Amino acid sequence: QKEVEQDPGPLSVPEGAIVSLNCTYSNSAFQYFMWYRQYSRKGPELLMYTYSSGNKEDGRFTAQVDKSSKYISLFIRDSQPSDSATYLCAMTGGGADGLTFGKGTHLIIQP
Amino acid sequence: DTAVSQTPKYLVTQMGNDKSIKCEQNLGHDTMYWYKQDSKKFLKIMFSYNNKELIINETVPNRFSPKSPDKAHLNLHINSLELGDSAVYFCASSHHGRTGGPEQFFGPGTRLTVL
Repeated sequence: QKEVEQDPGPLSVPEGAIVSLNCTYSNSAFQYFMWYRQYSRKGPELLMYTYSSGNKEDGRFTAQVDKSSKYISLFIRDSQPSDSATYLCAMTGGGADGLTFGKGTHLIIQP
Repeated sequence: DTAVSQTPKYLVTQMGNDKSIKCEQNLGHDTMYWYKQDSKKFLKIMFSYNNKELIINETVPNRFSPKSPDKAHLNLHINSLELGDSAVYFCASSHHGRTGGPEQFFGPGTRLTVL
């Protein structure tokens, strides 16, 4: 069983829709949960991070973490064509640990 | 202002050669990392350095040797390149400490192609 599972997609939705992306994980030691956006041939760009369980909102983006279910989500409201990218979940126990990534979900927002 | 920069952006070389990739960060972070992104876009940690000391060394062939001359730089030297080394290599940095969070900031990547 992989440490972090993420559906690679592609996920195609019309502009303006609410997008739901999610990951499941198996390692209980993970405490910090991040979402990155990666455009083609670019480096991952940090969108949000959440510590432990709970919700966090930043503009059109909402991150949710449910540690009891080992399940994290990213919601994008009012999706735009410019949101088309690969979204990577990542997690760590903290400190100087490396991030453990999901495989990324390729999201396409249709104009 | 580029926060995490890498050189070169593209690297094409023959099997058996030795090459280096350089990384610099101007964020004042004390921890730097190397990640490898394979052809299936899967990102995996290779090394982590904190204050110039090696912290993480995942199962990576010893042909890969990171070197950190100071806190702002982490270079990756690869000996005897193999076809399977073809990938995109990303450098990242973070601040580890009481005032730092776990966020890691990534460079633009170095696309290595071994022929």
